[in-house]
Amino acid sequence: EAGVVQSPRYKIIEKKQPVAFWCNPISGHNTLYWYRQNLGQGPELLIRYENEEAVDDSQLPKDRFSAERLKGVDSTLKIQPAELGDSAVYLCASSYTGYGYTFGSGTRLTVV
Amino acid sequence: QQPVQSPQAVILREGEDAVINCSSSKALYSVHWYRQKHGEAPVFLMILLKGGEQKGHDKISASFNEKKQQSSLYLTASQLSYSGTYFCGTEKGSARQLTFGSGTQLTVLP
Repeated sequence: EAGVVQSPRYKIIEKKQPVAFWCNPISGHNTLYWYRQNLGQGPELLIRYENEEAVDDSQLPKDRFSAERLKGVDSTLKIQPAELGDSAVYLCASSYTGYGYTFGSGTRLTVV
Repeated sequence: QQPVQSPQAVILREGEDAVINCSSSKALYSVHWYRQKHGEAPVFLMILLKGGEQKGHDKISASFNEKKQQSSLYLTASQLSYSGTYFCGTEKGSARQLTFGSGTQLTVLP
């Protein structure tokens, strides 16, 4: 079984530039999550999807972050414009009801 | 609200046991445990559900005290491969989204 696939693995951009991350969850997992993890800390939830519906985006900084999950499968997270404080690892995860999350390898974003 | 993990770090020798604790001030529906190695994604270890059901790893055990909103992860006869940062994640109600603690860094020495 293929795991959660994320791309790119690394991204370095200048501040004020846009950036996008892509995630393909495990087939059959209806719930998809985007988390942000700063160095030395636990992951923090940005947004949760149930199928194609964003059911909790309360922690997504909506002035610069946006996300979509078309057809309830893969998802894209975008930042525009990026700020220095956005440097972090962006993790995508998927799950099936009542089971643990499977995380992707993440995208390490560096904003310079 | 973020769960509190203790200890923040622990160092032990191969074959020794360790306990990692996780506590929350809110009523919990479930507790998850994950292990993350440096530069890698968190890997699911175990889920403990309200009511006592457990699903997960066959060499690692855990407990969930629903009254105290606490969970403990028990690592027995530690192996070098157990090294990493352990995170607990808590779900409130049936919201189905995890809030993670700040992690416990476990180092197993030969």
